[in-house]
Amino acid sequence: NAGVTQTPKFRILKIGQSMTLQCTQDMNHNYMYWYRQDPGMGLKLIYYSVGAGITDKGEVPNGYNVSRSTTEDFPLRLELAAPSQTSVYFCASRDNQPQHFGDGTRLSIL
Amino acid sequence: AQSVTQLDSQVPVFEEAPVELRCNYSSSVSVYLFWYVQYPNQGLQLLLKYLSGSTLVESINGFEAEFNKSQTSFHLRKPSVHISDTAEYFCAVSGNFGNEKLTFGTGTRLTIIP
Repeated sequence: NAGVTQTPKFRILKIGQSMTLQCTQDMNHNYMYWYRQDPGMGLKLIYYSVGAGITDKGEVPNGYNVSRSTTEDFPLRLELAAPSQTSVYFCASRDNQPQHFGDGTRLSIL
Repeated sequence: AQSVTQLDSQVPVFEEAPVELRCNYSSSVSVYLFWYVQYPNQGLQLLLKYLSGSTLVESINGFEAEFNKSQTSFHLRKPSVHISDTAEYFCAVSGNFGNEKLTFGTGTRLTIIP
């Protein structure tokens, strides 16, 4: 039982490039979440999903897209990377409380 | 909607001294409350939670928090800290029904001084 797995752990992108951050959970959780963490700002919700095929915007969705084709996977897509998207990204999942977090992806846009 | 305030961004404490990390929340509905801990370069781990029942909740490593509804607080305490407690601590709140999302505070960095 691996819990929530995020890949890659680190990535450097150039401005304008695109990439997908992967998130997989093996707990059969319905709810999944993407957050970004910036210094002194706590965690901000980007997108979330309540089940396969259903996604919705969180607090800071601009510049990101998500899909949820299976219960296990919830990838986050950056289409045109911008320096403001430099951050640490966390994926989480739950059925009942609490949320379980992955180890994060540290992304730098240069 | 909910909000969380962690007034102390950094708290330095001598080893074996007591510590209190403050958390206040606002909400128009009944809430669940959480403390998460983040060690350097790691993800968030649940430290303790209040869902219902006893207002005093404890973790396995000596931390405790008390839900105070009248003061809308959920302060985290430990009577004697250890070097290994050095980490960032996040308080979070959600409504206690349906598809309620977590709202996080801005975090408190606890530094233990030998």
